[in-house]
Amino acid sequence: GQQVMQIPQYQHVQEGEDFTTYCNSSTTLSNIQWYKQRPGGHPVFLIQLVKSGEVKKQKRLTFQFGEAKKNSSLHITATQTTDVGTYFCAGPTGYALNFGKGTSLLVTP
Amino acid sequence: SQTIHQWPATLVQPVGSPLSLECTVEGTSNPNLYWYRQAAGRGLQLLFYSVGIGQISSEVPQNLSASRPQDRQFILSSKKLLLSDSGFYLCAWSVPGTYEQYFGPGTRLTVT
Repeated sequence: GQQVMQIPQYQHVQEGEDFTTYCNSSTTLSNIQWYKQRPGGHPVFLIQLVKSGEVKKQKRLTFQFGEAKKNSSLHITATQTTDVGTYFCAGPTGYALNFGKGTSLLVTP
Repeated sequence: SQTIHQWPATLVQPVGSPLSLECTVEGTSNPNLYWYRQAAGRGLQLLFYSVGIGQISSEVPQNLSASRPQDRQFILSSKKLLLSDSGFYLCAWSVPGTYEQYFGPGTRLTVT
């Protein structure tokens, strides 16, 4: 079955440094989504990418969907302490989503 | 606007006791509904999903069951809890035909 893998599992950065997490699927995806879960909270939908090679920006966050629609990345420029949390990518499978295991980001001031 | 409710927020139950967690969605009709479990510091494991009243799909064999007695109500149950059932249980909904999911606040279950 489809597998969605994320790396790294953990990332610890100093405030102001950049951060990138990568997502790879074993199959071609019709779309890919990104979610953020703050410590103690629930996942919150961030964005959906649909087109091959698509790049979307949300303030300091840049999301990219690979040309082959099998990989994606999330890049945060100049991290802030408010960026702390776990970032999940997810690809559709039937009526549901297949989530990656997430990348946990820790930002120290 | 749409809102999703889950209760209780936290629960401590002894091994062998029954479980019932409820999730309701407001402000939308015929949503797709999902139950996930998240172990501490881990990813999201899809347990069940439903695309309509009375329709339940199970993703993994386990000690749990789900029901959808009403359009916007999703219930997760167990007859006898195991220690391994401890975790963070999340309910989510989506609009049929789309994939964005919106999660409830979750229930933290500790089985002792």
